[in-house]
Amino acid sequence: DTEVTQTPKHLVMGMTNKKSLKCEQHMGHRAMYWYKQKAKKPPELMFVYSYEKLSINESVPSRFSPECPNSSLLNLHLHALQPEDSALYLCASSQQPGLNEKLFFGSGTQLSVL
Amino acid sequence: AQSVTQLDSHVSVSEGTPVLLRCNYSSSYSPSLFWYVQHPNKGLQLLLKYTSAATLVKGINGFEAEFKKSETSFHLTKPSAHMSDAAEYFCVVSDQRVTGGGNKLTFGTGTQLKVEL
Repeated sequence: DTEVTQTPKHLVMGMTNKKSLKCEQHMGHRAMYWYKQKAKKPPELMFVYSYEKLSINESVPSRFSPECPNSSLLNLHLHALQPEDSALYLCASSQQPGLNEKLFFGSGTQLSVL
Repeated sequence: AQSVTQLDSHVSVSEGTPVLLRCNYSSSYSPSLFWYVQHPNKGLQLLLKYTSAATLVKGINGFEAEFKKSETSFHLTKPSAHMSDAAEYFCVVSDQRVTGGGNKLTFGTGTQLKVEL
């Protein structure tokens, strides 16, 4: 299994809603990542988990809350989002958290905030 | 600090002709360099990576890239384009050491490749 699976594929939410994005991999990878990608733009790093511990937070607003319950799962909890948070949210994983590591990306969750 | 410049936002080629996507990088260290491809509404897929071994790197689907330190370039090429190559291509650099671990990639702004019949 060489896949990173993200659910849901699409999500529409209001600004007062609470929702969660889920990401799962069964490749035994020990680093997992959240990226945000606006249309026609490159992905922007949000968070990195290394051995289930948060190692990078790129000054992301607190309305985004990551969680890594175990080495296979990564969640992104969403609360009180703004319309400008609408984007494709990509999860990725790598075998180790090193500089040369290949990242495996999921297909993303397309989020629309109304 | 690391940065990546993709010189062309759009490239259009005819099927069967060569592809050249240009990338220049800036890095304080010896970088790792990657090319990723993204098809519409999909995640990113690694095409190839350079990690200070051979300067000519071969990737999947017939793509290759050459690392030229003197020119700080890492251009992506393919001898003959196929319709299925139409996608967004990102040049990526990684040289930042992060306390606690984690791979901090810097993406270029992307090149949209169009392949015409």
